[in-house]
Amino acid sequence: QQPVQSPQAVILREGEDAVINCSSSKALYSVHWYRQKHGEAPVFLMILLKGGEQKGHEKISASFNEKKQQSSLYLTASQLSYSGTYFCGTERYSGGGADGLTFGKGTHLIIQP
Amino acid sequence: GAGVSQTPSNKVTEKGKYVELRCDPISGHTALYWYRQSLGQGPEFLIYFQGTGAADDSGLPNDRFFAVRPEGSVSTLKIQRTERGDSAVYLCASSLTSGARQETQYFGPGTRLLVL
Repeated sequence: QQPVQSPQAVILREGEDAVINCSSSKALYSVHWYRQKHGEAPVFLMILLKGGEQKGHEKISASFNEKKQQSSLYLTASQLSYSGTYFCGTERYSGGGADGLTFGKGTHLIIQP
Repeated sequence: GAGVSQTPSNKVTEKGKYVELRCDPISGHTALYWYRQSLGQGPEFLIYFQGTGAADDSGLPNDRFFAVRPEGSVSTLKIQRTERGDSAVYLCASSLTSGARQETQYFGPGTRLLVL
């Protein structure tokens, strides 16, 4: 099942904070976050693992709530370069192992100066 | 080092024609994935290779789609009798190994396929 992302779109001023949520109807063992700019390849941000700690990447961090089957991506003091579409991906099978990911529909983030 | 490369970057074809899309993964990556991305959507899984074999091809939409990876490196996605609905960006990704859910998948720039 495809994870559900919210909100669908966010418009921020440079320096503001944003939260992007990713929810699944099935048990999650890992959540993969990517950012994609128009016409470019998705770029890996981070992986959140079941039982793992909150991870960070520059001013972007994320959490993983196993009980709620959801992950949240936090962007603090947003920069113009953060603009793009953010996707969360979850494993297609709960049995583990590397396999293809099922991606949400994405959250469009626009940062204005 | 070099990332995942895909050729051609753009492909325009006519309905009913055959097309081949190529993916060159990061050197040493044993796992390779194909995804399809339609406008405004997230990538949609098509097929996953571990080495030379297709470990999971359950995402291929129908038997017009086929993919190979004969030597465990470069992969080719083949589409027969193309239809207008096949128009999309076809993304390839690779990861270092399989068997570990924490493996990062690195994406190529994609091939934009337009079927007229």
